[in-house]
Amino acid sequence: ETGVTQSPTHLIKTRGQQVTLRCSSQSGHNTVSWYQQALGQGPQFIFQYYREEENGRGNFPHRFSGLQFPNYSSELNVNALELDDSALYLCASSFWNRVNYGYTFGSGTRLTVV
Amino acid sequence: KQEVTQIPAALSVPEGENLVLNCSFTDSAIYNLQWFRQDPGKGLTSLLLIQSSQREQTSGRLNASLDKSSGRSTLYIAASQPGDSATYLCAVFLGAGSYQLTFGKGTKLSVIP
Repeated sequence: ETGVTQSPTHLIKTRGQQVTLRCSSQSGHNTVSWYQQALGQGPQFIFQYYREEENGRGNFPHRFSGLQFPNYSSELNVNALELDDSALYLCASSFWNRVNYGYTFGSGTRLTVV
Repeated sequence: KQEVTQIPAALSVPEGENLVLNCSFTDSAIYNLQWFRQDPGKGLTSLLLIQSSQREQTSGRLNASLDKSSGRSTLYIAASQPGDSATYLCAVFLGAGSYQLTFGKGTKLSVIP
């Protein structure tokens, strides 16, 4: 197992800019999800991709968009960054068929918007 | 809307003590429940996964129980160690049609040597 890897680990952006965060899913997993975690809070669901299509979305504006590639790696894109977008962004992968065996999370990308 | 609550928000115990962390959820129709550990500024490490048909899971000094009907789960840590200091999060998964994990805010545990 290779685990879930995210890049970069830290990032500083200016308000109004755009950012792309990357994630490599655990080998054998076919779904990838993204979460936003503000300081002192639990992670909040942004969206999930299954077989390269978005199949679930949380209460986030469409400034937040994503992609899943054939090799199950993924990107999270955020346009028109706002100060409140500063958070830890977590990627999680899972294998989903008729049974779900839980999610594996990466170490996260710490995004600071100034 | 599923809501997950964790009590207490913070807990400080002396080394060697046994302790229980609590998690409650409002919608009992869950598919599974997962407990995670998070060190400061880091990602989530999965500790235990309990499927809806199970009552408990054990891994080493950790034991998690699930009572779906009452909407509760507990994480029991035996013989706590300073290395157990971290934030513990529980998350519920509803399954097909709702693919998100819904998390509590976590319990911050400090084990004092």
